[in-house]
Amino acid sequence: EPEVTQTPSHQVTQMGQEVILRCVPISNHLYFYWYRQILGQKVEFLVSFYNNEISEKSEIFDDQFSVERPDGSNFTLKIRSTKLEDSAMYFCASSRQGLYEQYFGPGTRLTVT
Amino acid sequence: TQLLEQSPQFLSIQEGENLTVYCNSSSVFSSLQWYRQEPGEGPVLLVTVVTGGEVKKLKRLTFQFGDARKDSSLHITAAQPGDTGLYLCAGLRSNDYKLSFGAGTTVTVRA
Repeated sequence: EPEVTQTPSHQVTQMGQEVILRCVPISNHLYFYWYRQILGQKVEFLVSFYNNEISEKSEIFDDQFSVERPDGSNFTLKIRSTKLEDSAMYFCASSRQGLYEQYFGPGTRLTVT
Repeated sequence: TQLLEQSPQFLSIQEGENLTVYCNSSSVFSSLQWYRQEPGEGPVLLVTVVTGGEVKKLKRLTFQFGDARKDSSLHITAAQPGDTGLYLCAGLRSNDYKLSFGAGTTVTVRA
């Protein structure tokens, strides 16, 4: 069964450093998303991406964040200058269409020290 | 203000008992999805309900979408220890593509 994959599973970085989180969505899906979950809190939407552009973003997704689909399979989230409060699980998700069910990857645990 | 309120937050029952988890909102959703999440892992989709009044069954799990598409419930019959986990509801509204998640219900089934 097709699934969303994410790398790395765990990333430790120092405050101020740039990180890139990678995702491979399900192959025939057209919509891609990033969510995050701070420890003990609920899953929060960051950004949705369709047709090579951002379709929606939350207040969390400020200028420090960017997304890219560099090729036909990968979808990346970049945080330019990490802060302590960026420490969280980051989940990639994809869906076949915009209002269809979303399938999540296993997540990347980002720890900013 | 939480868009989706889940209750209860925690539920601990004995094996063989039934349980119900509720997901309520004042907003109308085009669809509502139920996920299960294990510690340190991503949410795994269990079911999607899209029609008001819809009932879906997945083995011992029964999902219902309210007639007004503002609320949903998950009922587990004869719970087993393998049902232990965090259950999340998440809704999609018709005017956006982002899922709004509830805070989750942690279910513990004791053997």
